[in-house]
Amino acid sequence: NAGVTQTPKFRVLKTGQSMTLLCAQDMNHEYMYWYRQDPGMGLRLIHYSVGEGTTAKGEVPDGYNVSRLKKQNFLLGLESAAPSQTSVYFCASSSRTGPIYNEQFFGPGTRLTVL
Amino acid sequence: QKEVEQDPGPLSVPEGAIVSLNCTYSNSAFQYFMWYRQYSRKGPELLMYTYSSGNKEDGRFTAQVDKSSKYISLFIRDSQPSDSATYLCAMQRGFLSGNTPLVFGKGTRLSVIA
Repeated sequence: NAGVTQTPKFRVLKTGQSMTLLCAQDMNHEYMYWYRQDPGMGLRLIHYSVGEGTTAKGEVPDGYNVSRLKKQNFLLGLESAAPSQTSVYFCASSSRTGPIYNEQFFGPGTRLTVL
Repeated sequence: QKEVEQDPGPLSVPEGAIVSLNCTYSNSAFQYFMWYRQYSRKGPELLMYTYSSGNKEDGRFTAQVDKSSKYISLFIRDSQPSDSATYLCAMQRGFLSGNTPLVFGKGTRLSVIA
């Protein structure tokens, strides 16, 4: 099992450009999450999904959109990138029926720089 | 007031020391308490998990929850250089509340010096 994978690992964008980050999990988890991690700010939840076709806003959703068309994939989109979106982005997934309630499994992260 | 407060450190200790990491929280609805460990340039991984109050021990690690004080701790005995990482506390309301997302502390960066 690959667990949670994220594509790409690194990306540099110019202000105003758009991009999509892809998260994939092979554990058949119902729940998926997108976080950003900035120095001194910890992990902040951007959006999450409790099932295929459903999404919800987290703590810092502005400037981001998400889609969950397939159970195993969760996409994070930046329509018009801004320097404030320079961050490390983590995807995570969890199961409602696992041995540890809602244990989240994280991907390796995507380092995004917006110039 | 943030729901979860955690001193970001950094904390530097000599090898073999006992380490104490702490978080306080304000939401009395939290019932599940976790500690995640994050090595540099990696994603967080679950280290310890407790439900409600009490202690849980796993090898050199002990997680402690005091719901009356809204305070959780992680103790590391005989600390090793390989314990050098960022430790994030996380907590969640009970499953009857539905899948409410985890609330994370900001993380404490720990360095264990050989």
